[in-house]
Amino acid sequence: EADIYQTPRYLVIGTGKKITLECSQTMGHDKMYWYQQDPGMELHLIHYSYGVNSTEKGDLSSESTVSRIRTEHFPLTLESARPSHTSQYLCASWDGPGYTFGSGTRLTVV
Amino acid sequence: GQQVMQIPQYQHVQEGEDFTTYCNSSTTLSNIQWYKQRPGGHPVFLIQLVKSGEVKKQKRLTFQFGEAKKNSSLHITATQTTDVGTYFCAGDTGTASKLTFGTGTRLQVTL
Repeated sequence: EADIYQTPRYLVIGTGKKITLECSQTMGHDKMYWYQQDPGMELHLIHYSYGVNSTEKGDLSSESTVSRIRTEHFPLTLESARPSHTSQYLCASWDGPGYTFGSGTRLTVV
Repeated sequence: GQQVMQIPQYQHVQEGEDFTTYCNSSTTLSNIQWYKQRPGGHPVFLIQLVKSGEVKKQKRLTFQFGEAKKNSSLHITATQTTDVGTYFCAGDTGTASKLTFGTGTRLQVTL
């Protein structure tokens, strides 16, 4: 089963709130990723990391930020949530050949 | 930037019929991967193809990688209701395992 955990599974918050989406993996993988996916649509890479203290922005511009101070932990933060941030956020890690995804966080900003 | 398109966007088949989804990249790929996402779920890795012209089979699923390493296909023989979901291809141009996902094909199977 999946060794990558995301919390919360569902989140409904008000506009302007600061939120952090948690992602942890127990596999010791260096490479981790955040994807954003609207319902029924493709996945867009928003952040990735190749190891501790390494973070890069992905192909899709995002107002979120990430940090990687421990190998197993890759949280994503939104300083001020807006309705346009409503989406599913998927965390993944990689050690070949394919990605392992977490169950995702479905975020709704009202 | 790199684009990965899939067709069809949606297909509805009767159980027992075959299904094929096609994946096309705007750039040459070092490898291509396929994922399945069940409704309400997260993508699950199915397979990776690396060599030009490679063909791999997993039970009723057959995966192909094109000779130019810019396209791929997934064929399911005799679909079952358990095949329902969205199938994504994902291309890696070799830049440190950063995947670009395709637009996906949603498969619906009815009895």
